[in-house]
Amino acid sequence: GDSVTQMEGPVTLSEEAFLTINCTYTATGYPSLFWYVQYPGEGLQLLLKATKADDKGSNKGFEATYRKETTSFHLEKGSVQVSDSAVYFCALKGNYKLTFGKGTLLTVNP
Amino acid sequence: NAGVTQTPKFRILKIGQSMTLQCTQDMNHNYMYWYRQDPGMGLKLIYYSVGAGITDKGEVPNGYNVSRSTTEDFPLRLELAAPSQTSVYFCASTLQGTGSYNEQFFGPGTRLTVL
Repeated sequence: GDSVTQMEGPVTLSEEAFLTINCTYTATGYPSLFWYVQYPGEGLQLLLKATKADDKGSNKGFEATYRKETTSFHLEKGSVQVSDSAVYFCALKGNYKLTFGKGTLLTVNP
Repeated sequence: NAGVTQTPKFRILKIGQSMTLQCTQDMNHNYMYWYRQDPGMGLKLIYYSVGAGITDKGEVPNGYNVSRSTTEDFPLRLELAAPSQTSVYFCASTLQGTGSYNEQFFGPGTRLTVL
């Protein structure tokens, strides 16, 4: 079945540091891929998405590229801010549902 | 639009009690979902619905029931609460159809504790 494996956390960075959160997947065919973000006490919000190979999703300075050859969708940001502190989930879309990774807690210190 | 709303925000139950978690969406989405989120475990799908009158089991349906009498509402029922059901529950919805993007919109969650 479908599965998503993402980098174990927590990740602690200083403001303006470079961020990478790794995500790899196993799925049949070519699923759409997503990164969701969950701020403390809130539900999940879509951060970015990619629907086919080599697509790059981007939003709020975050980027991720759909790599079919390595079945990966790593999340990157060049300069993190304190306000980026949250839990980040990688997900893939199957026929009717999303399959999520376990989430990575990011803490950014000033 | 209010999006996806859930009630209550918090609830404490005793073992064996029952309750219904409410979920409503005002986006005319056809698909709706219930997830539970346990610490460090991501989200697990409990039940989902592809339209009014149609529901199906997800990965972890035991101990729960759902109904979908309208497009807007998708309540989750716990009949005999157990400590293993202590979790945060999220409802989500999406518009599934040809050419649609299929982003899922999430409610704010219900934090349930069973003692």
